[in-house]
Amino acid sequence: QKEVEQNSGPLSVPEGAIASLNCTYSDRGSQSFFWYRQYSGKSPELIMSIYSNGDKEDGRFTAQLNKASQYVSLLIRDSQPSDSATYLCAVLGAQKLVFGQGTRLTINP
Amino acid sequence: DAGVIQSPRHEVTEMGQEVTLRCKPISGHNSLFWYRQTMMRGLELLIYFNNNVPIDDSGMPEDRFSAKMPNASFSTLKIQPSEPRDSAVYFCASRSSFYGYTFGSGTRLTVV
Repeated sequence: QKEVEQNSGPLSVPEGAIASLNCTYSDRGSQSFFWYRQYSGKSPELIMSIYSNGDKEDGRFTAQLNKASQYVSLLIRDSQPSDSATYLCAVLGAQKLVFGQGTRLTINP
Repeated sequence: DAGVIQSPRHEVTEMGQEVTLRCKPISGHNSLFWYRQTMMRGLELLIYFNNNVPIDDSGMPEDRFSAKMPNASFSTLKIQPSEPRDSAVYFCASRSSFYGYTFGSGTRLTVV
C-alpha cells in the first residue's frame, strides 16, 4: 500500500462548478497535511495546509481532514480555467513530506 | 528573497557521464530536501538534510547517487555514472519550521 494515495484523474469540471479532490494516507500517526498545486513544467506550490479534523477555508479553497478515516480532501469552489493543474496531496511524517501521485484537474470553459 | 535556486535548469548528458545538480536553499532554512519526479513514480524523496547533516538517504536509488551539503547555503546531488533511467525532474526544497516547504524550479535531466 502506498503511503499517500490519490486518484490520478484526469478530473474534468465545468467552469464555475466545485472541484473535489481526494487523498488517503496510511500512517495513522501523521499530524500535518498539505495540498500543493503544480502547473505543467513548474514546481509544486503550497496552497493549503491542515492539521486538525474538520474544514479549513481560504478563499475559494477548502481543505477537509478526517483522521479517523485517514482521509484528506480539497474543494475548489467557482472553478476557473486557471485552476487547471495537477494537485498533489502531501503528508508530513518523521520530518519528511511524502507526496501522492497527484490528480490532474482540467476546468472546461 | 530569491527563493530556492537550482542549477542548471536543463541538463542533457550521455550515458556514463557524471552529472552534478546544485541547490541554494533559502537563507535561514535549516532543512533541505532532494526530490525526483517522473510520470511513473511521481515525487519521490531522495535524501534530506537538517543543519547540513544527512538524516535520511533511504530514497537514494543506488550507489551511483550521492548528495552533499558542505554548508548551510549549498547542496549538490551527483549521479555517477548516469543512466537513461535517471532522466527526470530533480527538485530541491527547503524549510525553516514545521510548516512550509519551498521548492526550487527544478532541473530537468535527460540522459541519452
